[in-house]
Amino acid sequence: EADIYQTPRYLVIGTGKKITLECSQTMGHDKMYWYQQDPGMELHLIHYSYGVNSTEKGDLSSESTVSRIRTEHFPLTLESARPSHTSQYLCASSEQGLSPLHFGNGTRLTVT
Amino acid sequence: SQQGEEDPQALSIQEGENATMNCSYKTSINNLQWYRQNSGRGLVHLILIRSNEREKHSGRLRVTLDTSKKSSSLLITASRAADTASYFCATDRSGTYKYIFGTGTRLKVLA
Repeated sequence: EADIYQTPRYLVIGTGKKITLECSQTMGHDKMYWYQQDPGMELHLIHYSYGVNSTEKGDLSSESTVSRIRTEHFPLTLESARPSHTSQYLCASSEQGLSPLHFGNGTRLTVT
Repeated sequence: SQQGEEDPQALSIQEGENATMNCSYKTSINNLQWYRQNSGRGLVHLILIRSNEREKHSGRLRVTLDTSKKSSSLLITASRAADTASYFCATDRSGTYKYIFGTGTRLKVLA
């Protein structure tokens, strides 16, 4: 369907590890987003970007960081993972203006 | 706090029945969107309604928007087992394009 890809699909790691969740889109969208979602729960916006070199924090405070060096790529990094970071992370993109979001299938992260 | 809240939180109906879910939000918006999420997957866009529109249709979906009450409803007619999913509304606060999602309605359609 939508050309937005997240890797890995599932990740289980130990506490203290550094991880990067990848998100790429081939649609040339300027806007990209990261949402955090616990199972069966609402989505929380943690990061968004309006374009290259533009990133802002979302409404939910997160210890993760993001970068936007290329239009198509919006990786999310956790410098030191903790069990509280266990969640599903969803990446999305959209065109400028009033446009729908296109979501990837998510990365389900488990920190042990 | 989250911009939107859906109700009911969960809804279980028989195949062929209509399903209605509601969304309320707090601030002025440019548009409101509805999404579907199948278990363990990303969200899929269903329909977008602009703030100056009152009703919109797409196939078996009908969305209404009442900006005076800051609420929207999604009606799925003649539901099918394949409609079983969680449904979310999303709004962008006027002047921004930060999309904030509601709490979701979990719909189960029984065959």
